Amino acid sequence: EPEVTQTPSHQVTQMGQEVILRCVPISNHLYFYWYRQILGQKVEFLVSFYNNEISEKSEIFDDQFSVERPDGSNFTLKIRSTKLEDSAMYFCASKLVGGETEAFFGQGTRLTVV
Amino acid sequence: QKEVEQNSGPLSVPEGAIASLNCTYSDRGSQSFFWYRQYSGKSPELIMFIYSNGDKEDGRFTAQLNKASQYVSLLIRDSQPSDSATYLCAVNPPVADGLTFGKGTHLIIQP
Repeated sequence: EPEVTQTPSHQVTQMGQEVILRCVPISNHLYFYWYRQILGQKVEFLVSFYNNEISEKSEIFDDQFSVERPDGSNFTLKIRSTKLEDSAMYFCASKLVGGETEAFFGQGTRLTVV
Repeated sequence: QKEVEQNSGPLSVPEGAIASLNCTYSDRGSQSFFWYRQYSGKSPELIMFIYSNGDKEDGRFTAQLNKASQYVSLLIRDSQPSDSATYLCAVNPPVADGLTFGKGTHLIIQP
């Protein structure tokens, strides 16, 4: 069964360092997302991406964050200068089509900023 | 402000009984609604989605939607210990692509 794959599963980084989280969406999907979940809190939408550009972003997705689809398969989230409060699980998701259809989530990357 | 509200629980249900999980949402124009299951430390796993008022059944799961009351529920029949997890309600607000999630209800099925 096709699945969304995320690497690494766990990343530890020092405050102020840049991190790149990687995702391989399901191959025929066209819409890509990043969500985050701080420990004990709800899943929060960060950004959606379609046709090589951001289609929507939340208030959380400030100038410290960027996304890229560098090739035909990878979808990345970059955090330029990490803060302690960036520590969270980051989930990538993808959808076949836009609008009211279901999104499938990857297994997540646990980011720990020390 | 888009809000999705769920009782955080824990909701404790005996094995074999029906578990009933509820969710309300604030954005009246929302059109699509999703239930995800999340085991501790794992990613959300889609269980069901519903777009139209009424009931939608899939195996032991039934999703119910009442747009007038802005209310979505999930029924799990013949509850099993493996159903113990946090159940997340998610809503696709109008003119938006990202999902808005509730905090989730922690369900415990007692053997």
